[in-house]
Amino acid sequence: DSGVTQTPKHLITATGQRVTLRCSPRSGDLSVYWYQQSLDQGLQFLIQYYNGEERAKGNILERFSAQQFPDLHSELNLSSLELGDSALYFCASSGTFAETQYFGPGTRLLVL
Amino acid sequence: AQSVTQPDIHITVSEGASLELRCNYSYGATPYLFWYVQSPGQGLQLLLKYFSGDTLVQGIKGFEAEFKRSQSSFNLRKPSVHWSDAAEYFCAVGGWTDKLIFGTGTRLQVFP
Repeated sequence: DSGVTQTPKHLITATGQRVTLRCSPRSGDLSVYWYQQSLDQGLQFLIQYYNGEERAKGNILERFSAQQFPDLHSELNLSSLELGDSALYFCASSGTFAETQYFGPGTRLLVL
Repeated sequence: AQSVTQPDIHITVSEGASLELRCNYSYGATPYLFWYVQSPGQGLQLLLKYFSGDTLVQGIKGFEAEFKRSQSSFNLRKPSVHWSDAAEYFCAVGGWTDKLIFGTGTRLQVFP
């Protein structure tokens, strides 16, 4: 158990819908990262937050957004969902810059 | 460009045999290197990491990896594989931006 929790574990929804994925980092970790794992793209970095502020952006679609709250949990919002958004979404956390990232169990999203 | 290459998509070994999983990276700055393991339906578990110092690093579950700067490689090894090692293994590189760049993964199958 990495100490990073993600909810829900599974999510099934329809095209055009909006979903919210939640992540709670390890106790004391200030950085939260979101990654997407899909069969065609592999593991791709989406976005990073550090102590409530966005720090880095990767291959994140405009339909996707994220935020980190004062209690340091983070949410990834996916809207206008398409079939191709079906993937495993991971959250990871770390304490400070350049430290090890510890991954949560992921949320498996299926868009029908 | 920053990238990680894992040339072996699928490796099959017999239980008790030795294992080496290859990883080559391209990174403009001093790399921080990681190996993660993903069992079916599970998240990513950190096996080991290299930041600096001794180029041979020990990890969990009897794994080790050697950093070779001249070859831009960070190969993962285990002297004797157990059936429970069957999983997918990901090499990753990171740096100042902190995002991780992952390879495409190597699926390890272990025969009794």
